Parts: sequence; C-alpha cells; structure tokens
Amino acid sequence: GQQLNQSPQSMFIQEGEDVSMNCTSSSIFNTWLWYKQDPGEGPVLLIALYKAGELTSNGRLTAQFGITRKDSFLNISASIPSDVGIYFCAGPPNFGNEKLTFGTGTRLTIIP
Amino acid sequence: DVKVTQSSRYLVKRTGEKVFLECVQDMDHENMFWYRQDPGLGLRLIYFSYDVKMKEKGDIPEGYSVSREKKERFSLILESASTNQTSMYLCASRPTGKGSYNEQFFGPGTRLTVL
Repeated sequence: GQQLNQSPQSMFIQEGEDVSMNCTSSSIFNTWLWYKQDPGEGPVLLIALYKAGELTSNGRLTAQFGITRKDSFLNISASIPSDVGIYFCAGPPNFGNEKLTFGTGTRLTIIP
Repeated sequence: DVKVTQSSRYLVKRTGEKVFLECVQDMDHENMFWYRQDPGLGLRLIYFSYDVKMKEKGDIPEGYSVSREKKERFSLILESASTNQTSMYLCASRPTGKGSYNEQFFGPGTRLTVL
C-alpha cells in the first residue's frame, strides 16, 4: 500500500524553538490530516485541511495544504515540553474512501 | 467524548499461540480499524470493518483475521503468533457521513511482544 513520506524522521530541539515538518505523496490527496501521538497513547487529530492552498491554525500549530495537493506542512511555534511526541500526516488515498493512509511519522524531542 | 478502549496495554505471547486483541467503542460508529505501528513505518492498516459482520483487508492482512459480531466491538486475531508480529497495535473508529470527515478516534494501543 501507498505510504506518505514525512520529513524529518526525528527532531531534537530546545524549548521555545519553532518546528517545521512536511509530508509528501506521489499522488494527489483531497484531504490532509495531522495527528499527534503522545507517549503511550493513541494518535489524536490536531488539524484537518480540505482545500489546496488552505492554511489552518490551531493555537501554536499551523498547517498548510500544498498547492499541488501532493504535500502538506505543519509548523509549531514556540515549542513547549508537552509538544513532545510523534506527529503523523494522513489522508484518504481515494476521494470518499473511508480508509486513511498514514505517514511515517516525525518524532519530536525537546532537549532540556 | 468518544472513547475507544483496548483490552490490554501490554501483552506477551509465545510463538504459535492464538492471540485475541479486543477493541470496544462507545459512540455507535459504523467503521472500525486495526493498525500496527512500527518505528519508521508509521501506521499500517491491517483490516477494517464498515458494518457488523463486514470486513475488508487493509494493506498488510497476512497472518491476521478479524471478527465484528457487534457494532461496538472489533477483534483482531493472530491465528499463530510469530515474532515478526511483535508490534504496537492500534484500534480506531469513525462515523460514516459528514461532520468528522475521515477523523478516526484511536484507542491507547496494545504493545504485543511475541517470544
């Protein structure tokens, strides 16, 4: 099955720094979702994007739906300790399909 | 709040054993999913179900089967566990229709170790 490629695979940053990560696909997606997984828990939806070029914010998080529909970006401003976890992009591989394809994940670690 | 629960957080089994992983959701969702999560590979879909007694293969169904006898419960079965099935298993559910397009609600996961 198709996978979405996320970059970087892991990040080590200091508290207060901004974070950027992206997700790319070889095919077009009509919806992009960003999930976060806290240590020991299941993923939780952070942001959903439904239109090419769309820019959506959720607190310190901002995500963008790429114009080509083959990529998406997530930015976190002024990181705090609770931002630690794994971030996944996801999207339905076919329009209207109930399934999601998930990215390979970006693990964020904050250095004290 | 949507709640998805999984029967065990940690499980240790021996090679060749039959393993049952249970998932229950309390929001009357039609769709339920089983994924496995491995480092560097993200989440990969094993099976999903869009209604009672209905199931469809995901991307990696080999070595697994599922059962959905009641709407709220979706079971993942490893007929004969092998060491390469050591992984984190995540269950999810979502409603059909508008409002939460493609948002899936996840359980806390079961970390299975096969010795």
